Amino acid sequence: EVKLLESGGTLVRPGGSLRLSCAASGFNFQIYGMNWVRQAPGKGLEWVSAFSGDGLTTYFTDSVKGRFSISRDDSNHTLYLHMNTLRAEDTAVYYCARDLWGGYFDSWGRGTLVIVSS
Amino acid sequence: DIQMTQSPSSLSASVGDRVTITCRASQGVVNYVAWFKQKPGKAPESLIHSASKLQAGVPPKFSGSGSGTDFTLTISSLQPEDFATYYCQQYAKYPLTFGQGTQLEIK
Repeated sequence: EVKLLESGGTLVRPGGSLRLSCAASGFNFQIYGMNWVRQAPGKGLEWVSAFSGDGLTTYFTDSVKGRFSISRDDSNHTLYLHMNTLRAEDTAVYYCARDLWGGYFDSWGRGTLVIVSS
Repeated sequence: DIQMTQSPSSLSASVGDRVTITCRASQGVVNYVAWFKQKPGKAPESLIHSASKLQAGVPPKFSGSGSGTDFTLTISSLQPEDFATYYCQQYAKYPLTFGQGTQLEIK
């Protein structure tokens, strides 16, 4: 069974930094692309970042370019989202999602809540 | 960026009804469209990929169609567990984008 478990969400001040983790199990993590998708309170889904399955390419939505980075540790089956210069508008539940192929998400974690507030 | 526009934004229906949600892409996305269901406080669930193919384990009461710019999700014989918010998403081109969601409510 595919399992994705996010962690690391917390309350952080504007301008601060945070690292989210997504621990994966139940599948061969290293061959899959992985994504982060977020959802602000009461709002819709917004794709944030992707790491390709071949490990060569990363993608970001414009609003986080230059502030967020994505990495993966295939030996520990973990995906990371490194978030810097956080803003109030980054407040959201952040979901980790497996990319079955080319941007289609077939499995999702339960999410971790990030609150950016002073 | 490719904009995905869903309609309606909200929809009221009764148990047993059949409903259709539409999603229009701002440019052609071939058939690279997925549909997701989300209940309040829960993670999204994958329903359909490639515009019309059911995710494993999803009941055939859900069906999708379309290609190019216009897509539909149809849910037949609504049950209480089907009342949720539904999202379309294109994965033809980065950045990946979602529709704004359609909230399906019990009448």
